[in-house]
Amino acid sequence: GAGVSQTPSNKVTEKGKYVELRCDPISGHTALYWYRQSLGQGPEFLIYFQGTGAADDSGLPNDRFFAVRPEGSVSTLKIQRTERGDSAVYLCASSQWDYNEQFFGPGTRLTVL
Amino acid sequence: AQKITQTQPGMFVQEKEAVTLDCTYDTSDQSYGLFWYKQPSSGEMIFLIYQGSYDEQNATEGRYSLNFQKARKSANLVISASQLGDSAMYFCAMRERNTGNQFYFGTGTSLTVIP
Repeated sequence: GAGVSQTPSNKVTEKGKYVELRCDPISGHTALYWYRQSLGQGPEFLIYFQGTGAADDSGLPNDRFFAVRPEGSVSTLKIQRTERGDSAVYLCASSQWDYNEQFFGPGTRLTVL
Repeated sequence: AQKITQTQPGMFVQEKEAVTLDCTYDTSDQSYGLFWYKQPSSGEMIFLIYQGSYDEQNATEGRYSLNFQKARKSANLVISASQLGDSAMYFCAMRERNTGNQFYFGTGTSLTVIP
């Protein structure tokens, strides 16, 4: 079966632009997570969805970041007015509700020039 | 305070030897889970092993075992019979019952297996 997929794999944008990053979780997984990984660091939690609702968005750094999961499957992470400090790899993971293991996607490398 | 501490930025091991990657954690929760992930240069995070706080026996998965010492709050990963393909970044992570589904990751250890 297919794993978690993320598109695009790489995104280069200019400071101030708007970007959308997409995550396709494993079919049937109800929980979906977004993380940000800066160079030399471990993944940093951003937001968690259970079904369609954001159950925990406490990791979003500021109001420029927003994520949706309208049908409880695909999720989009949206970043407005991008800044150079937003440059990182954005990882998505999914899991079944009662399971501990998270399955990660390959990530989207975002570069803000 | 850091939730997860990995004090070894880089480790080297001879092929076919065993290696231990250190991880200590900080929590006041009685119920929590500890995880190890491998991240090769391709970037994808690969789940290796899980240990629940109430599990009395150390978790094992093939060549991976988790040395769980609850009183010391340590959850070291032991890789036996190292292979060249084990060269990667290794991350220790924790999830606490009280904070729901947030995973806290350490800064990782870079393991290089020498032929």
